[in-house]
Amino acid sequence: DADVTQTPRNRITKTGKRIMLECSQTKGHDRMYWYRQDPGLGLRLIYYSFDVKDINKGEISDGYSVSRQAQAKFSLSLESAIPNQTALYFCATSDLGTSDNEQFFGPGTRLTVL
Amino acid sequence: AQKITQTQPGMFVQEKEAVTLDCTYDTSDPSYGLFWYKQPSSGEMIFLIYQGSYDQQNATEGRYSLNFQKARKSANLVISASQLGDSAMYFCAMREGLLNTGTASKLTFGTGTRLQVTL
Repeated sequence: DADVTQTPRNRITKTGKRIMLECSQTKGHDRMYWYRQDPGLGLRLIYYSFDVKDINKGEISDGYSVSRQAQAKFSLSLESAIPNQTALYFCATSDLGTSDNEQFFGPGTRLTVL
Repeated sequence: AQKITQTQPGMFVQEKEAVTLDCTYDTSDPSYGLFWYKQPSSGEMIFLIYQGSYDQQNATEGRYSLNFQKARKSANLVISASQLGDSAMYFCAMREGLLNTGTASKLTFGTGTRLQVTL
């Protein structure tokens, strides 16, 4: 079974709709992240969380919110989706205790906003 | 200024040949780490190799090695004996700051290089 899972894997929605992307991990890591990937722009950090009580904005947090419901779960919400939020979204985790802070990525969620 | 620059949007290499994917970085922090990830057409991000700023030797992982030139601020990925399965996007990324700080939790990615391995 995958260590970092994301649901849904694909989603098509309409402008103005609220949508939630979910991430779960079984790695026991304390840190979790949300990135978006746009063609030609690489991955950009939306939000990150050190633990359940610690949530931080990343490079491009406008239009997004997050919830860390438990150490293993980190959800990303688009309160009112717009077409330029069409992208591939990745959740990632890392462990403070490792020597390099390698991040482990989920399989991604492809979101299309019409 | 871009923190991570990958100047090669696309590269071709023949099977069994070696290929170098370029990455330059920009940071004033003495503590940083450099990563390479592979993204095949299926979309997942696969960690390949890591180099810490204080590491004395270049990192190696199987057919992957990282040519770390600190003074030039470059961290090029070398893939030896290319295989058809190496065809993918490759991303260079950097974390800055001491590992137990919030800053070090964040990765900054380059725009990627698409590698195509040919017969």
